Amino acid sequence: AQSVTQLDSQVPVFEEAPVELRCNYSSSVSVYLFWYVQYPNQGLQLLLKYLSGSTLVKGINGFEAEFNKSQTSFHLRKPSVHISDTAEYFCAVTLVDSWGKLQFGAGTQVVVTP
Amino acid sequence: NAGVTQTPKFQVLKTGQSMTLQCAQDMNHNSMYWYRQDPGMGLRLIYYSASEGTTDKGEVPNGYNVSRLNKREFSLRLESAAPSQTSVYFCASSTGGNVHEQYFGPGTRLTVT
Repeated sequence: AQSVTQLDSQVPVFEEAPVELRCNYSSSVSVYLFWYVQYPNQGLQLLLKYLSGSTLVKGINGFEAEFNKSQTSFHLRKPSVHISDTAEYFCAVTLVDSWGKLQFGAGTQVVVTP
Repeated sequence: NAGVTQTPKFQVLKTGQSMTLQCAQDMNHNSMYWYRQDPGMGLRLIYYSASEGTTDKGEVPNGYNVSRLNKREFSLRLESAAPSQTSVYFCASSTGGNVHEQYFGPGTRLTVT
């Protein structure tokens, strides 16, 4: 079975500073990888996904992530954050033929301050 | 186009009571999912329906039942609520097959006392 580890439960960051959220996964077979964002009191929204091809994936709101198969990692980055990026971020993985059953990490709370 | 809708938004139950959480999607999606979200644990899959007429257990199915009423609707039932089922419940849907992007509803916050 696959699993996902988000290495930081909370990341404080100043406005306009860069941020990196770390995600590692374990799986013996091919996977698809996702980052979702959850704003306060809302559902989850897809930021970006890696299915195949280029290992650098660009998503919405200026976020990008890099798939590293040898490190089994899928870290999320943004070069300059805004106050509006304050939210919880979830990394998720699914096996290629699993009908989309997602395994989520525990989440990383990003708090952006002026 | 409302996407994925869930009712109710909030619910308080006493231990032993039953209730059904409703979910509907208007995107003509084949697959639907129920998750629960607990602090520090991310989201965990309760049940899913790969297509109309089929349902399967996820990671934490105990204490729940589901019904895929038609292509649009997927309900989650708690027959005898327990305090351990206090959580936020999310419904999601996707096209299915090799398309894995899931669209989430706004959630139902359930408290069992």
